[in-house]
Amino acid sequence: AQSVAQPEDQVNVAEGNPLTVKCTYSVSGNPYLFWYVQYPNRGLQFLLKYITGDNLVKGSYGFEAEFNKSQTSFHLKKPSALVSDSALYFCAVRRYTGRRALTFGSGTRLQVQP
Amino acid sequence: KAGVTQTPRYLIKTRGQQVTLSCSPISGHRSVSWYQQTPGQGLQFLFEYFSETQRNKGNFPGRFSGRQFSNSRSEMNVSTLELGDSALYLCASRSGTGQLAGNTIYFGEGSWLTVV
Repeated sequence: AQSVAQPEDQVNVAEGNPLTVKCTYSVSGNPYLFWYVQYPNRGLQFLLKYITGDNLVKGSYGFEAEFNKSQTSFHLKKPSALVSDSALYFCAVRRYTGRRALTFGSGTRLQVQP
Repeated sequence: KAGVTQTPRYLIKTRGQQVTLSCSPISGHRSVSWYQQTPGQGLQFLFEYFSETQRNKGNFPGRFSGRQFSNSRSEMNVSTLELGDSALYLCASRSGTGQLAGNTIYFGEGSWLTVV
């Protein structure tokens, strides 16, 4: 079985400060890892993914994530938060082989204060 | 390039009725999957289709079904609706399967279903 944990329901950060949204995963074998963002009443927008290679992945809107195999983590980061980054963020994992449905975390609401 | 298109965006149904939701994937994408999003259960996988064949299925009752057409468009159907089926239903597409499982999955805006 595969699973994703997002330990924080909400993260609050001041505009201009760095932000981190945490994600840990559990999967047998090599993982594919994804981050999505959801704005109110909208679908999911793809931010970035880790497949293989460099552990630091850069994505859309200045976001990046660091894959850490030993800690089974894939935290989302941004050096300087914007108010417009306020949204719901989902981490997801998919196995390299076998059933390839995405398993999502419960989501973390990011609130960026001006 | 147009994204994943879902129709209708909003609908209200009565308990016991059935509903059909439609999804047009990104042009060239042959894999379509469906997810249910609710406040209580979060995002849950329903099923995935590739080349008109169901490839994966989540843990949902048989009232939830789907199909894919030769042009990759997909529909999902929920019969005998229950209040708990109220949710955002998200369709997603990607370009391949097999060793291309790392391909990005792109989501549509979703169909909001309210069962009363």
